[in-house]
Amino acid sequence: DVKVTQSSRYLVKRTGEKVFLECVQDMDHENMFWYRQDPGLGLRLIYFSYDVKMKEKGDIPEGYSVSREKKERFSLILESASTNQTSMYLCASSFQGADTGELFFGEGSRLTVL
Amino acid sequence: GENVEQHPSTLSVQEGDSAVIKCTYSDSASNYFPWYKQELGKRPQLIIDIRSNVGEKKDQRIAVTLNKTAKHFSLHITETQPEDSAVYFCAAYTGFQKLVFGTGTRLLVSP
Repeated sequence: DVKVTQSSRYLVKRTGEKVFLECVQDMDHENMFWYRQDPGLGLRLIYFSYDVKMKEKGDIPEGYSVSREKKERFSLILESASTNQTSMYLCASSFQGADTGELFFGEGSRLTVL
Repeated sequence: GENVEQHPSTLSVQEGDSAVIKCTYSDSASNYFPWYKQELGKRPQLIIDIRSNVGEKKDQRIAVTLNKTAKHFSLHITETQPEDSAVYFCAAYTGFQKLVFGTGTRLLVSP
């Protein structure tokens, strides 16, 4: 059974803080993704990675960066958190490309920026 | 880029009724259309998908239809049950690992 684990379910941070969201998958998947989920806006892709040390911007990368030093781990970084980054963040992984492989999601990290 | 519109945003049905959720996409090159179900407080999970070379696919009480000419696809749930209550997301694959999701439909099935 594929498992995608996000390190924190709930976080509260202050404006300007640096925030790290960690994601680990245990199925040797090549692809990993970070989505942001907001009511009425669905799931929006922030960044994705198709290999170690490789990253590609998604649809809303501004204010975010990512790191993939190991195949199983994909981190989302908010260099200077702002209140408009208060959201639910979902990590996902897939074995093949998004058009041929199921996305396996983590349980999400709800971030509140005060 | 690809744009996926999903309707309705909320759908309430009685147990046993059918439910239909519709999505339209803009990029005619999109070739893969999955549907994800997210129960309250849980992660989204794939429930069914369809590729552009197929017009319809069924899995027990759920089915998906695709009209490539009109660029829309729909999720059909028959004989709805309370456990079908969830948020459903459609998506379209636009190329290069990117899935574009719709805005979601909250389905409420009342006993």
